[in-house]
Amino acid sequence: TQLLEQSPQFLSIQEGENLTVYCNSSSVFSSLQWYRQEPGEGPVLLVTVVTGGEVKKLKRLTFQFGDARKDSSLHITAAQPGDTGLYLCAGAIQGAQKLVFGQGTRLTINP
Amino acid sequence: KAGVTQTPRYLIKTRGQQVTLSCSPISGHRSVSWYQQTPGQGLQFLFEYFSETQRNKGNFPGRFSGRQFSNSRSEMNVSTLELGDSALYLCASRGESRTGELFFGEGSRLTVL
Repeated sequence: TQLLEQSPQFLSIQEGENLTVYCNSSSVFSSLQWYRQEPGEGPVLLVTVVTGGEVKKLKRLTFQFGDARKDSSLHITAAQPGDTGLYLCAGAIQGAQKLVFGQGTRLTINP
Repeated sequence: KAGVTQTPRYLIKTRGQQVTLSCSPISGHRSVSWYQQTPGQGLQFLFEYFSETQRNKGNFPGRFSGRQFSNSRSEMNVSTLELGDSALYLCASRGESRTGELFFGEGSRLTVL
């Protein structure tokens, strides 16, 4: 049973377009993290959201944690080829001792 | 601050063999977690070690084992390799942050023939 569902699994868009990736669960998380992984490398942490309803911005990336702390979204404005990669969300349970990862969204930005 | 270091980066084994992978965490981090990543299953949690003790364990068979040394370096071992064990094995270290962010190595890509 996948605790965290990410959608879409694959997304290919043109440079300059906007996109949103979703991370949903029926479980409540104490915090939620987003990672990006590029080919041949390990995932790299982008952001952690902790409070229900929290919104964090990282340049053109906007992360939101749902009010009930069960879901999150990542919105990218004016996507660039450098945004290409695998985006993973991870929810923390058991007081953040355990992280549960979603399946990932493979994003391709075409020039 | 040096990152997480995994060795070897690539290896090829045949069915029935065993393999040992190594991970050196970020200096000062006492927690080391291991994950298996495959295209079909995504990132699957194997186990976590903290101060030389296994703290959490995923749903993998007993062929998968690990240990942690007093300097926080960790190894994982897979015995009696199967074709389905071909994957990227990622190690991640964690500091004392209450939100538990992970710092990943580049992974060890295992191919089983």
